[in-house]
Amino acid sequence: GNSVTQMEGPVTLSEEAFLTINCTYTATGYPSLFWYVQYPGEGLQLLLKATKADDKGSNKGFEATYRKETTSFHLEKGSVQVSDSAVYFCALKTSYDKVIFGPGTSLSVIP
Amino acid sequence: NAGVTQTPKFQVLKTGQSMTLQCAQDMNHNSMYWYRQDPGMGLRLIYYSASEGTTDKGEVPNGYNVSRLNKREFSLRLESAAPSQTSVYFCASSVGGNLETQYFGPGTRLLVL
Repeated sequence: GNSVTQMEGPVTLSEEAFLTINCTYTATGYPSLFWYVQYPGEGLQLLLKATKADDKGSNKGFEATYRKETTSFHLEKGSVQVSDSAVYFCALKTSYDKVIFGPGTSLSVIP
Repeated sequence: NAGVTQTPKFQVLKTGQSMTLQCAQDMNHNSMYWYRQDPGMGLRLIYYSASEGTTDKGEVPNGYNVSRLNKREFSLRLESAAPSQTSVYFCASSVGGNLETQYFGPGTRLLVL
């Protein structure tokens, strides 16, 4: 079946450090891929998405590239800020299925 | 534009009690969803409604019922709450069809004693 695996946290970084959160997936067909972010006490918000192989999604300085050959969609940011502290969820959706979420990765950025 | 709203924000129940979690969206979305979020398990789909008048089971439907009252509202009912249902519940909506972006409410934190 379809599934999403992502690195488990918590991840703690200093401000301005480089961020990578790994995400790999298993899916039939050609899924769309997403990163959602959940700030403390809030619901999830779409951060970025990519709908086909080699697409790059980007938003708020975050990027992720859809790599079909490695079935990956790793999230990166060049310089994190304290305000980026949140839980990040990788997710996928195939054409006739619901969205499937990974377990989430907690990020804490310290000044 | 309120987006997706949920009530209540927090609830404490005793085992065996019943309650209904309310969700409403004002974005004219066709599809609505109920998820539960538990530590280390991400979000698990309880029920969803692809359109007004239809509902379908998700990954973890046991112990829950839903009602798609109209296009705006999608409620989740616990008939006899159990401690295993202690969780944070999120409602979400999307345009539907093959447009995947979901919009989430702020969540309801439920504690069953």
